[in-house]
Amino acid sequence: AQSVAQPEDQVNVAEGNPLTVKCTYSVSGNPYLFWYVQYPNRGLQFLLKYITGDNLVKGSYGFEAEFNKSQTSFHLKKPSALVSDSALYFCAVRPDTGRRALTFGSGTRLQVQP
Amino acid sequence: NAGVTQTPKFQVLKTGQSMTLQCAQDMNHEYMSWYRQDPGMGLRLIHYSVGAGITDQGEVPNGYNVSRSTTEDFPLRLLSAAPSQTSVYFCATQQSAEGRLGQYFGPGTRLTVT
Repeated sequence: AQSVAQPEDQVNVAEGNPLTVKCTYSVSGNPYLFWYVQYPNRGLQFLLKYITGDNLVKGSYGFEAEFNKSQTSFHLKKPSALVSDSALYFCAVRPDTGRRALTFGSGTRLQVQP
Repeated sequence: NAGVTQTPKFQVLKTGQSMTLQCAQDMNHEYMSWYRQDPGMGLRLIHYSVGAGITDQGEVPNGYNVSRSTTEDFPLRLLSAAPSQTSVYFCATQQSAEGRLGQYFGPGTRLTVT
């Protein structure tokens, strides 16, 4: 069975500093990996994905994520955090074949202080 | 182009009552799914559909029924509501079962069962 771990319930960072939100996964076969963001009282919004190719994936709002196969990780990063980045972030995984339902992590709340 | 719409936004039910949560999309996406979101647990898949007339169970299907008679609509039925079904429910679509482009989420329905 596939699974996703987001080890930090909350990440605090000062505005202008780099941020990292961690994600590790377990899946049979090759992974499709996704990051979503959720603002208060809203649905999830797609940020970026890794399907194949370059290990560094660039997405919306200046976010990027690095796929590391040996460490089964897909950490979300941004060079310079904004207060408006404060939200709940979800990592998700599914295998490239077979049952294609997404499995989500429990979410990490990012708080960017001015 | 409304994307994914969900009704109602809020609902309070008494234990044992039944109701249907509506989900509609105008993007002609094949794949639709229902998730529930509970604090600290991320999103858990309830049911999904890979096309009209085809549905399958997700991770937590008990107490819920779905049908998919058209591409556009994917209602979720609670047969006999229980307090354990108090949650926020999200409908999501993706262009195909392959899901390379990520999912689009509706705004959610907040359900309370007393």
